[in-house]
Amino acid sequence: ILNVEQSPQSLHVQEGDSTNFTCSFPSSNFYALHWYRWETAKSPEALFVMTLNGDEKKKGRISATLNTKEGYSYLYIKGSQPEDSATYLCALSNTGNQFYFGTGTSLTVIP
Amino acid sequence: DVKVTQSSRYLVKRTGEKVFLECVQDMDHENMFWYRQDPGLGLRLIYFSYDVKMKEKGDIPEGYSVSREKKERFSLILESASTNQTSMYLCASRVLGGGRGYTFGSGTRLTVV
Repeated sequence: ILNVEQSPQSLHVQEGDSTNFTCSFPSSNFYALHWYRWETAKSPEALFVMTLNGDEKKKGRISATLNTKEGYSYLYIKGSQPEDSATYLCALSNTGNQFYFGTGTSLTVIP
Repeated sequence: DVKVTQSSRYLVKRTGEKVFLECVQDMDHENMFWYRQDPGLGLRLIYFSYDVKMKEKGDIPEGYSVSREKKERFSLILESASTNQTSMYLCASRVLGGGRGYTFGSGTRLTVV
């Protein structure tokens, strides 16, 4: 079992604040890094898939970066809104086609 | 709109009952998975299946079994439910091969009393 770590475990931010959180992973046998957003009572929704060192992806106010050499990815949310409140999961897929999920970061945006 | 459907959103069962959690996907995906999610522990893989009638143990298979008689349906079975199986159960599917991501169901919150 590979250890994929996310930090912080939870955070509360005010509406309008920007925030970021981290996913750390072992870089051996890396294939792809996935970010998901999981809102209460809904299915986890795929946000980004990144495969190359230095990749940056953006979707609206949310963006992500990837550093495969040092084994981390950052997720950024600019100008947080209450609808951004969710658990954000990262997952590592390796060359053996196995997936390893982090424990998630629970974000609450306070209006 | 492709989807993974879990038959129940909430379930309450008694200790010792046999429990079936059903999952159906309409994307013709080969791979299907059952996870449970507990606070502070993240998603933990229970069982997965690469094809019809095939099943593989995940990281925490004890107390569970699965059935995949048809490609679109993957069932998780709790042979004799216990209180430590109270959890959120997520079903997921994906295409075979590569690092493509999952499509998830919306989860079943199971409480064993």
